[in-house]
Formats: sequence, structure tokens, C-alpha cells
Amino acid sequence: ETGVTQTPRHLVMGMTNKKSLKCEQHLGHNAMYWYKQSAKKPLELMFVYSLEERVENNSVPSRFSPECPNSSHLFLHLHTLQPEDSALYLCASSQGTERNSPLHFGNGTRLTVT
Amino acid sequence: AQKVTQAQTEISVVEKEDVTLDCVYETRDTTYYLFWYKQPPSGELVFLIRRNSFDEQNEISGRYSWNFQKSTSSFNFTITASQVVDSAVYFCALSEGAAGNKLTFGGGTRVLVKP
Repeated sequence: ETGVTQTPRHLVMGMTNKKSLKCEQHLGHNAMYWYKQSAKKPLELMFVYSLEERVENNSVPSRFSPECPNSSHLFLHLHTLQPEDSALYLCASSQGTERNSPLHFGNGTRLTVT
Repeated sequence: AQKVTQAQTEISVVEKEDVTLDCVYETRDTTYYLFWYKQPPSGELVFLIRRNSFDEQNEISGRYSWNFQKSTSSFNFTITASQVVDSAVYFCALSEGAAGNKLTFGGGTRVLVKP
């Protein structure tokens, strides 16, 4: 496999459920990101991990909990979400967190909160 | 605060027509990077180009070309002889400051190329 892989592709969950999104990158990168893409809103950066340490938490509610066990894997744990959290969640990776490092994105997980 | 504006929300063209996507940005930094990404229906954003603020040379890559005008804070993207496979949402993004790779994205422009 190559690139950035996200699972599941689609997820429907109730507001009381707990679920996790998974991201895996096969590019040898050392930085990983979670972005949220809502309808009619620009892409929003949620979290940045560099060398498995969280370096950015962009004022994200605590019902979203990221985990980066190693430089190839990134998770987003979800609990007690709200309907407005329904969105496309995109994972990305880059070689370093320098501002000229292009991001490589996965296909995203389409999340629907009912 | 940085800001990226893509005024065109949707553009529809017929195959083989040229299409230009506008991107205007705001930043107080003198050093910054601009990017274009393509998001096809499959969902993933695909990196197309990176330009630093000190390099105003226009670039051409196949049917794609980019026009960076620092004086007007614009970084426009042209697809020449469009094809159906070019149908996607295109995002312009800005990275600035010393705090790492935090991109500010524009709202995106949906391009629909009809056969």
C-alpha cells in the first residue's frame, strides 16, 4: 500500500456512541494531521502531531481525542458527539512540520452523527 | 490573521475550454508559502503546487499553469484545454509564520467539466 489510508470510509453513529477513526501513512513521514471539512466551511485544522508528540490543538472540543502511537498511525477517538460534528474528517501527513512541507491526504472518513 | 479567498464557488465549462481559478490571500508576513490542492470526488486532497513568496516566476506543468502576483496578493491557477477528469474541487492554501505547517485554506472552487 502507498499513501495515506483512512478507515472507515463512512461512519454513522449516535450521540452516545464511542467510535474511532484510523489513519495510516506509508510515506515515511514524521508529521500527521487531522482536518475537518464541513459543508460550506473551509477546511479546519484540528490536530498536528510531530514525531508522535501533539504540537497543535486548534481549540477542538474534548469529545474529540487524538492518539498517535507511532509516526505511521493516527487515531481520532470520538465520544458523545453532536449532530454538527457531521463532516468529512481528513488525515494528512508530511515530512516535517516546516511551512513548505506539502501535505499528503487520505480519502477521509465521512461521519454522520444522528 | 491570514485569510485566503476563492471568490468563485463553482465554474462549469465544456471540455477543451480553458478555466482560470482565482485565489487572493492576506498575510502580514514577508515569507510565506502558497499551495494548490485538488479534491476529486474520491475525497482525498492531492497536492498540485507550492510557491514561496520570494519566487514570482510563473510555472507551467502540462495543462496546468500558475500566475503568482505578489503586488495583488493573488495566486491564480489555469487549466488549459480542460478534460472531464479535471472535474473536482480546487483549494488554494497559505502557510505562514514560524509556528509550523498550519495551512489556511480557501473555501474551494468546484470545477465541472462537461463532455
